[in-house]
Order: sequence, then C-alpha cells, then structure tokens
Amino acid sequence: SQKIEQNSEALNIQEGKTATLTCNYTNYSPAYLQWYRQDPGRGPVFLLLIRENEKEKRKERLKVTFDTTLKQSLFHITASQPADSATYLCALDMGTGRRALTFGSGTRLQVQP
Amino acid sequence: GAGVSQSPRYKVAKRGQDVALRCDPISGHVSLFWYQQALGQGPEFLTYFQNEAQLDKSGLPSDRFFAERPEGSVSTLKIQRTQQEDSAVYLCASSPQGIDGYTFGSGTRLTVV
Repeated sequence: SQKIEQNSEALNIQEGKTATLTCNYTNYSPAYLQWYRQDPGRGPVFLLLIRENEKEKRKERLKVTFDTTLKQSLFHITASQPADSATYLCALDMGTGRRALTFGSGTRLQVQP
Repeated sequence: GAGVSQSPRYKVAKRGQDVALRCDPISGHVSLFWYQQALGQGPEFLTYFQNEAQLDKSGLPSDRFFAERPEGSVSTLKIQRTQQEDSAVYLCASSPQGIDGYTFGSGTRLTVV
C-alpha cells in the first residue's frame, strides 16, 4: 500500500541555522509533491509544489528537492527564525489522475532563539 | 471571500446525533476537498468535488458520511448517527482548476460524547 513517512520526532534547531525535513514515500509514483505548514488549531497553509520532472524549487528562504529515484523529498528552511516553529506536512497526489492528496503525519519544528 | 470559511468552529455532539458541517470556499475555486484530521496525524482525504459534481468519495469511512455541494460553491458534510470514533477535526480546502496548492479553512473540531 502507499505510504508516506516523515520524522515523527520533533526537530529542534538554533535560530539562524538551516532546518532540513525529510519526506519518504513507498509504492507511489506521484506526479507532484507539496509542502504545507500547520500551526496549532489552524488548517495547513500551502508553501511549495514541486513536479516529478523538477529537481529543486525555491521560494525565499525555502527550498524543496524531489528525488524520484530515492522516493524522497527534502525541505530546507535557511536562516531559520522562531516564527518558523510549526508542524510541516508533505503531501503527494494519489496518482492516476486523482486530484486528492495523501498527507504525511508531519514533523514538528522548534526553532530556539 | 478572502479565505475558506468553516462553521461551526467547534461542535459537541451526543453519540447518535446527526451533525452538519459547513464550508464556504474561495469564490471561483472549482475544486473543493474534505479531509479528516486526528490528533497528531496528517489530514486524511474524505471526498472531492469539481464544481457541483462529487468526483471522488472513496475516503468516506462509512455510509453515515455524506457530502454535497449543490450549487458548486458552499459545501456541507453531514455525519449521521455520530460515533465516538468520528471525533476529529474536519478540514475543508479549495483550489482553482488545475494543479495547485490547496487553501484550507481552520476546520471544525467535532467531539462526540
């Protein structure tokens, strides 16, 4: 069955460092992958979308890579700030033209001042 | 509107009661999705509408769950004869036509007692 894995343990880093979050998937051939941020009591907020034919995408301090051979995406936040503290979710399309996404369980990032 | 609006924000239902959750998507967004999120987990897909057509309802957990979007804008998710396992946050999301990130609402937290 399709499976998405994100680090269940929280990631704690110092302000100013680069945070790197991992998303691994199995039994999938997604056409695209998305990253979302979720704060407590709020809905997820869309950050970036990367397609299967793209290796890397950047937006301000964010960078996403997508390796379809390794079946892995890495999400980087450079020059991290305490305001970046949140849970980050990766999501993949369900394939075969379906519009719905399958989400990982998320990784909580804590940036210490 | 400016964002996706969901109501009520919180709902407490007695076991066996019927509930109706409302979603008001961004004006003009063709696609509308319902997701269920348990504590500490990522959102799980329930159903998808393109305009008024329900194109995918494969995630609905039982026939007690029913969703509609009769005029292609506002959507209602109805749960009949609620059970304790239905307790979760119900998220609605909308997106324009084509592959794009979702805009989520803040969700309805349903607690069945």
